[in-house]
Amino acid sequence: EPEVTQTPSHQVTQMGQEVILRCVPISNHLYFYWYRQILGQKVEFLVSFYNNEISEKSEIFDDQFSVERPDGSNFTLKIRSTKLEDSAMYFCASSRDKNTEAFFGQGTRLTVV
Amino acid sequence: TQLLEQSPQFLSIQEGENLTVYCNSSSVFSSLQWYRQEPGEGPVLLVTVVTGGEVKKLKRLTFQFGDARKDSSLHITAAQPGDTGLYLCAGARNTGNQFYFGTGTSLTVIP
Repeated sequence: EPEVTQTPSHQVTQMGQEVILRCVPISNHLYFYWYRQILGQKVEFLVSFYNNEISEKSEIFDDQFSVERPDGSNFTLKIRSTKLEDSAMYFCASSRDKNTEAFFGQGTRLTVV
Repeated sequence: TQLLEQSPQFLSIQEGENLTVYCNSSSVFSSLQWYRQEPGEGPVLLVTVVTGGEVKKLKRLTFQFGDARKDSSLHITAAQPGDTGLYLCAGARNTGNQFYFGTGTSLTVIP
């Protein structure tokens, strides 16, 4: 069964460092998303991406964040200068059509120290 | 502003009991998904409902979408310890391109 895969599963980084979280969405899906979940809190939307551009983003997704689809399969989230409060589980998701069911990856646990 | 409110927030029941989780909003959604999430893992899709009044069954789980497409419920019959987890509803609207997640219901089924 096709699935969304994310790497790495865990990432520890020092405050101020750049991190890149990687995702391989399901191959025939056209819409891609990043969400995050701070420990014990709800799942928060960061950004959606379609046709090689951002289609929607939340207030969380400020200038420190960027997304890219560098090739035909990968979808990445970059945080330029990490802050302690960026520590969270980051989930990538993809869907075949707009606002149809989204399938989530297993997440990357980012810890900023 | 929380678009989707789930209740109850926490639920602890004995194996074999029935339960219902509610997902409510004042907004209309074009579709609504239910997910189950285990600690340290990603949400796993259980079902999608798109039509007002729609009822879907998945073994012991029954999902209903409200007639006005503003609310949904998840009913579990004869709960088992394997049902333990965080249940999340997530809605999509006709405008925009994101899924709005509910506050979550943490279910514990005691053997």
